[in-house]
Amino acid sequence: AQKITQTQPGMFVQEKEAVTLDCTYDTSDQSYGLFWYKQPSSGEMIFLIYQGSYDEQNATEGRYSLNFQKARKSANLVISASQLGDSAMYFCAMTGNTGNQFYFGTGTSLTVIP
Amino acid sequence: KAGVTQTPRYLIKTRGQQVTLSCSPISGHRSVSWYQQTPGQGLQFLFEYFSETQRNKGNFPGRFSGRQFSNSRSEMNVSTLELGDSALYLCASSLGGTSGYRETQYFGPGTRLLVL
Repeated sequence: AQKITQTQPGMFVQEKEAVTLDCTYDTSDQSYGLFWYKQPSSGEMIFLIYQGSYDEQNATEGRYSLNFQKARKSANLVISASQLGDSAMYFCAMTGNTGNQFYFGTGTSLTVIP
Repeated sequence: KAGVTQTPRYLIKTRGQQVTLSCSPISGHRSVSWYQQTPGQGLQFLFEYFSETQRNKGNFPGRFSGRQFSNSRSEMNVSTLELGDSALYLCASSLGGTSGYRETQYFGPGTRLLVL
């Protein structure tokens, strides 16, 4: 089974600053995917970024980058130049090689301060 | 391309009733997964359907069931509602290929169910 741990229940960041949201995972699968989603107060889960277990380069998508450290089993999300609209819950998730089931962490609530 | 749609968006039911939620995936996506989100338990996987067959199932009682139609649209049903079933129910779709770990799931806006 897969397990995702997010140890930061809440984070604050000043507008225009960068912030790192932590995520560690545990799996015995060799093939797996790591994902980050954003959930605003409206409820919809918005896909941000993906990293595959065999990807050697860290994934980047605009202001989002994923700091993937395979040996440490960590997949931290870095948001650069934070904006007020970034205030939301952020979930780290993973899939294993056995199917299409996602395992989610408990989430981190990010608040961007003007 | 239209995103994942879920209906209804909000629902209020009383204990003992049953409810059916609907999910239309992104065009071309053949896999539909359902999740329950509550403040206490977080996001929990209910089940996944692919080509009208349940491919994966989470640890939920038999009161929770689902199905998928030939057009990939999916419904989930909860019978004999309990207060603890109050939650945000999220549906997600993906292409449904065999390399599951490579596929991104795209979520709908969710259905907020309140059981009184």
